[in-house]
Amino acid sequence: EADIYQTPRYLVIGTGKKITLECSQTMGHDKMYWYQQDPGMELHLIHYSYGVNSTEKGDLSSESTVSRIRTEHFPLTLESARPSHTSQYLCASSASSEQFFGPGTRLTVL
Amino acid sequence: AQSVTQPDIHITVSEGASLELRCNYSYGATPYLFWYVQSPGQGLQLLLKYFSGDTLVQGIKGFEAEFKRSQSSFNLRKPSVHWSDAAEYFCAVGAHDYKLSFGAGTTVTVRA
Repeated sequence: EADIYQTPRYLVIGTGKKITLECSQTMGHDKMYWYQQDPGMELHLIHYSYGVNSTEKGDLSSESTVSRIRTEHFPLTLESARPSHTSQYLCASSASSEQFFGPGTRLTVL
Repeated sequence: AQSVTQPDIHITVSEGASLELRCNYSYGATPYLFWYVQSPGQGLQLLLKYFSGDTLVQGIKGFEAEFKRSQSSFNLRKPSVHWSDAAEYFCAVGAHDYKLSFGAGTTVTVRA
């Protein structure tokens, strides 16, 4: 059973606020990922990390930033939220090519 | 770069009927292939995967998929659908850089 957690599950926030979406995994996976998913659309990779202190931007440009100070933790931060950031954000981790997903955070920016 | 096409945006099937979801991929080498299922408001759950070997792979919840290299396809099947199978299904292809590319998904509706 995969153990990967995301908080909050739902977030409604006003424009201009700074937010951090949390993602933690207890499987000791070295690789972690953030995806953005809009309704009816595929998942788009926005950030990934292959280990501590290693982060890369994904295929979809995003104004968010990430950090990887500990193996188990991969938070995503938006310095100034805008309505265009409204989406579902999914975190995943892997030891190989098979990725395990968290439940997601649904973000709404008013 | 790899890519995935799921030609069917939405499929409606009667409970007890068979289901087949299509997936075509584009990748220059032998791909890693996955099917994930997503229920409303949830993350993705892995149904099955293909890395190598037997081209017919069995997954959870009674699903199976067949890898056909000549057709660049990895179609998902279930012989008899249950109402709980109503969800969105995503096909994904992986490369040796550990990144996945996903299709746009197929929404399955199950009617009684």
